Amino acid sequence: GAVVSQHPSWVICKSGTSVKIECRSLDFQATTMFWYRQFPKQSLMLMATSNEGSKATYEQGVEKDKFLINHASLTLSTLTVTSAHPEDSSFYICSASRPDSRDEAFFGQGTRLTVV
Amino acid sequence: GESVGLHLPTLSVQEGDNSIINCAYSNSASDYFIWYKQESGKGPQFIIDIRSNMDKRQGQRVTVLLNKTVKHLSLQIAATQPGDSAVYFCAENGGGKLIFGQGTELSVKP
Repeated sequence: GAVVSQHPSWVICKSGTSVKIECRSLDFQATTMFWYRQFPKQSLMLMATSNEGSKATYEQGVEKDKFLINHASLTLSTLTVTSAHPEDSSFYICSASRPDSRDEAFFGQGTRLTVV
Repeated sequence: GESVGLHLPTLSVQEGDNSIINCAYSNSASDYFIWYKQESGKGPQFIIDIRSNMDKRQGQRVTVLLNKTVKHLSLQIAATQPGDSAVYFCAENGGGKLIFGQGTELSVKP
């Protein structure tokens, strides 16, 4: 199988602090991972593409200095929401693709971020 | 351009009836599409996919139709069950990078 694990599943933080979310591929190596954000009752919006060993590619309108992405190994990508504000409260979801099946996306279970 | 998510439309059906969920996509060059089911608080779950060289694909109780001319996808669920209640998204897949459609919330009445 292909399992992607996201941690934490939920987090509450104070406004102005930073939060790190981890996305791990447990049984395969993922050269590419993707980060999505989903507000309540809305669709998933792609934030960035995370490439192992290189800089992430951000979608238009996503602040790279606010949403720091690090993909330091073939099984781990992290998303850090810096100086979080209540408007950053959302559901963050990662996905990963296997090198031998790039079209297939395996999703983590998501992280519910609440900024108070 | 990209499909942008707005507030979800809803579809309410009676248990046992067939459901049809529609989706419009924006990129005429897209050649791979996927339907996902998302339950509250969880990540998307793969349902069925279709490539642009096909116009219909069937799975277990589900059928996807693709009309490239009008850039439209539909998901048909036969004999809808309460467990089918969820939000359904279509997505354009480009090498694992997904552009999601608006989504539809399906509610099944027993």
